[in-house]
Amino acid sequence: QVQLQESGPGLVKPSGTLSLICAVSGGSIRSTNRWIWVRQPPGKGLDWIGEIYHTGSTNYNPSLKSRVTISVDKSKNQFSLKLNSVTAADTAVYYCARSQTLTGSFDYWGQGTLVTVSS
Amino acid sequence: QSALTQPPSVSGSPGQSVTISCTGTSSDVGSNNRVSWYQQPPGTAPKLMIYEVSNRPSGVPDRFSGSKSGNTASLTISGLQAEDEGDYYCSLYTSSSSYVFGSGTKVTVL
Repeated sequence: QVQLQESGPGLVKPSGTLSLICAVSGGSIRSTNRWIWVRQPPGKGLDWIGEIYHTGSTNYNPSLKSRVTISVDKSKNQFSLKLNSVTAADTAVYYCARSQTLTGSFDYWGQGTLVTVSS
Repeated sequence: QSALTQPPSVSGSPGQSVTISCTGTSSDVGSNNRVSWYQQPPGTAPKLMIYEVSNRPSGVPDRFSGSKSGNTASLTISGLQAEDEGDYYCSLYTSSSSYVFGSGTKVTVL
C-alpha cells in the first residue's frame, strides 16, 4: 500500500518561501507514475500546483509557474515543493499525491498539511 | 484553463439517487476521456472514486457511476447513504499535460 506524508513548517512569513517535503513509502518514486502537489485554501476548492516525474521532468500550473519549483530526491524516495514570494492568498492545506500517468487520476493522497502565511 | 463548472450543492434522502454534473467545453471535457471524480468528507483528503469517465477503482462501491455526454461529465450516486456526505470534485487531465479541477459540489443527505 502506497503512503504519502507531507512535512514542513506550518507558518511562513509574507514574502518568504514555503517549503514542503512529501515522503513516499510502500512504493518507488522511480515508478511510471507522476508525483503531484495540490492545494486547498480554507473553505475553497482544489487547485493543482504541479507535477514531477522521477527523471526530474516537471509541469506547473501556469498561474503559479513563476514562483514554484518541484524537485525529486530518488535516494530518499521523496519529492518537494518550494513556493516563493508567498502572500496570505497562499494560505492553504497542501496535499501531495500520486498520479496514474495514463489516466491522469490521483490514486493515492497524503493527509495534507496546513500552511499559514502570516507575520 | 478555467475551472470546470459544478453545481454548488445537491441533496437527497437516503436511498435516492443524485447526479453531479461537471461542465467544460468541446476543447476539454468534450474531447478528452481523462475525467476523474473525487470524494472529500469534511477534514479529510480527497479519495478517487471514478477515473477515465466511468471506471471505478477497487473498493469503491458500485453505487457510484460515471458517464459523459458532450461537454458534460456526470457522477451518479445511487442508493444514497449518510456516509456519502461531503464535497465532490471532478478533474480533467488536459492535452497539455496539466490538470484542472471542478469548482466542487457539496452533497447533503437529508
